[in-house]
Amino acid sequence: DVKVTQSSRYLVKRTGEKVFLECVQDMDHENMFWYRQDPGLGLRLIYFSYDVKMKEKGDIPEGYSVSREKKERFSLILESASTNQTSMYLCASRPGPHFNYGYTFGSGTRLTVV
Amino acid sequence: KNEVEQSPQNLTAQEGEFITINCSYSVGISALHWLQQHPGGGIVSLFMLSSGKKKHGRLIATINIQEKHSSLHITASHPRDSAVYICAVNPNTGNQFYFGTGTSLTVIP
Repeated sequence: DVKVTQSSRYLVKRTGEKVFLECVQDMDHENMFWYRQDPGLGLRLIYFSYDVKMKEKGDIPEGYSVSREKKERFSLILESASTNQTSMYLCASRPGPHFNYGYTFGSGTRLTVV
Repeated sequence: KNEVEQSPQNLTAQEGEFITINCSYSVGISALHWLQQHPGGGIVSLFMLSSGKKKHGRLIATINIQEKHSSLHITASHPRDSAVYICAVNPNTGNQFYFGTGTSLTVIP
């Protein structure tokens, strides 16, 4: 089974801190995604990556950056955490863009910024 | 603008009831997915559909491509079915899914 592992289930950070959320997948998937999930808004795409060293902005990239130096790892960076970034963050991966491929999700990181 | 709409947003049912969750979408798609998210966060894929109907245990998913509509049915519901159910579509263009906002289901014993 494909596994997508997010490094932390719960995080509490202070306003202004730089925050790193790590995501690792173990099945050589090309595509990786970061979403945030908020009540009533569903999943919103922050950034995605087609392949190593490639990244594309999603719908809500402001205040975030990403890094994909190795195929298996996709990191989300909050440059200066703010309280409105308190949310559930979900990482996902898929083998490639073919329509037959679904996503595999990590367990999520619930981030609280105080 | 939301490409995927789900209804209802919240649903409470008695154990044993037949449950239907609906999903409508506005874009051309190559596939539609039904996902389940339990408290605690992890999301798992239940079905991927491009036409017709699929069944897995007590869960049935149908899709009508012409009407841009899909339904997820749960027969003989059980408290362990309590979760958020999310509809997602893979549009014909682009590499991203569009997600519905989810239906929160609570099944009472």
